[in-house]
Amino acid sequence: DGGITQSPKYLFRKEGQNVTLSCEQNLNHDAMYWYRQDPGQGLRLIYYSQIVNDFQKGDIAEGYSVSREKKESFPLTVTSAQKNPTAFYLCASSRLRDLPNEQFFGPGTRLTVL
Amino acid sequence: SQQGEEDPQALSIQEGENATMNCSYKTSINNLQWYRQNSGRGLVHLILIRSNEREKHSGRLRVTLDTSKKSSSLLITASRAADTASYFCATDYNSGGSNYKLTFGKGTLLTVNP
Repeated sequence: DGGITQSPKYLFRKEGQNVTLSCEQNLNHDAMYWYRQDPGQGLRLIYYSQIVNDFQKGDIAEGYSVSREKKESFPLTVTSAQKNPTAFYLCASSRLRDLPNEQFFGPGTRLTVL
Repeated sequence: SQQGEEDPQALSIQEGENATMNCSYKTSINNLQWYRQNSGRGLVHLILIRSNEREKHSGRLRVTLDTSKKSSSLLITASRAADTASYFCATDYNSGGSNYKLTFGKGTLLTVNP
């Protein structure tokens, strides 16, 4: 089956630790995105990547880092510099990077800082 | 950055009734998309309407777009309990070059009571 997978589903982190969230897609999509969702809120863009080995900051990139070494993978690291990391993180991909098209979402990772 | 705003924030109806959700946005767009999110899950694309379109149908969904008022509506006819979810509108904006991104609203939580 084609789709986007995120792991883990739940993640607990102690303050001061870095954690990495995995996102993999087998849809052969060019573009990938990371969003953060807080309770009762919409999605806010953290980082996005249009092609391999290239990525851009979104609206709330501070305290986060990404890499795009392979087309199918776009991991997100939540660093200790992120002041309030507890949230629901969603990864998405889209087939085209420069034309209007739908985004396909993974099931999400819920991160809790203890 | 521009952001769609959904209205109402929450809507509760009985099974079989129609549900209407509205979205307003601030600046000119190329297209507007509607997504659905079941609790604790990823988003699922429902429909995309381009700025030169006024109305679009997909099954029990009807979307309208009024670019003069910068607003869109999503109508779900003959609602079912399984339609219970949050519904988000997303507008595109071009950040320059060949990049393509979406901005999501905060969503409408629809509850359909059996």
